[in-house]
Amino acid sequence: KNEVEQSPQNLTAQEGEFITINCSYSVGISALHWLQQHPGGGIVSLFMLSSGKKKHGRLIATINIQEKHSSLHITASHPRDSAVYICAVLYGGATNKLIFGTGTLLAVQP
Amino acid sequence: DTAVSQTPKYLVTQMGNDKSIKCEQNLGHDTMYWYKQDSKKFLKIMFSYNNKELIINETVPNRFSPKSPDKAHLNLHINSLELGDSAVYFCASSQAPGQWVGYTFGSGTRLTVV
Repeated sequence: KNEVEQSPQNLTAQEGEFITINCSYSVGISALHWLQQHPGGGIVSLFMLSSGKKKHGRLIATINIQEKHSSLHITASHPRDSAVYICAVLYGGATNKLIFGTGTLLAVQP
Repeated sequence: DTAVSQTPKYLVTQMGNDKSIKCEQNLGHDTMYWYKQDSKKFLKIMFSYNNKELIINETVPNRFSPKSPDKAHLNLHINSLELGDSAVYFCASSQAPGQWVGYTFGSGTRLTVV
């Protein structure tokens, strides 16, 4: 079992829908990272969270440290949001080591 | 200027060959990493160097050897390539171990072993 689990693994939505991607982890972490990977492969950092909530445009990320859970929300989804969304946790300790979730493949249809 | 640059972007080679992938960062970061992304898009760390010193060495075949000539460069050399080595390899860097700030990925190198 992976230390970082994401759900759903695949998600198809219609343009304009509100989307939620969930991430649960089983290890103690100092922070959590949401990443976006478009077809073509480049990885872009969306958010880094250690508590609470962050918002950037139509994207909102929340984290509950006690429940070891984070969510990524996309409001008013658009086909250009189609990508793989990856949750990664920073494993505590002296090393800056990321443990990745399995990713969520999002397809937003016009 | 690209912050974390990898070369080559694509690499097709035959089984048994030896190949290298280069990574350079111009962010002034102290820590660099190599990650492997398999066909199911799962990313896993392979190595990490902090200021030229190896600090993470996951369970990776010893055919893979990282080399950091200085803190701005972390190259990955692979000996005796096997079909299972086909994957996308990502380099990344961060300011320091234990710090999130400025964690940046390269654009990846797609390695295909035939």
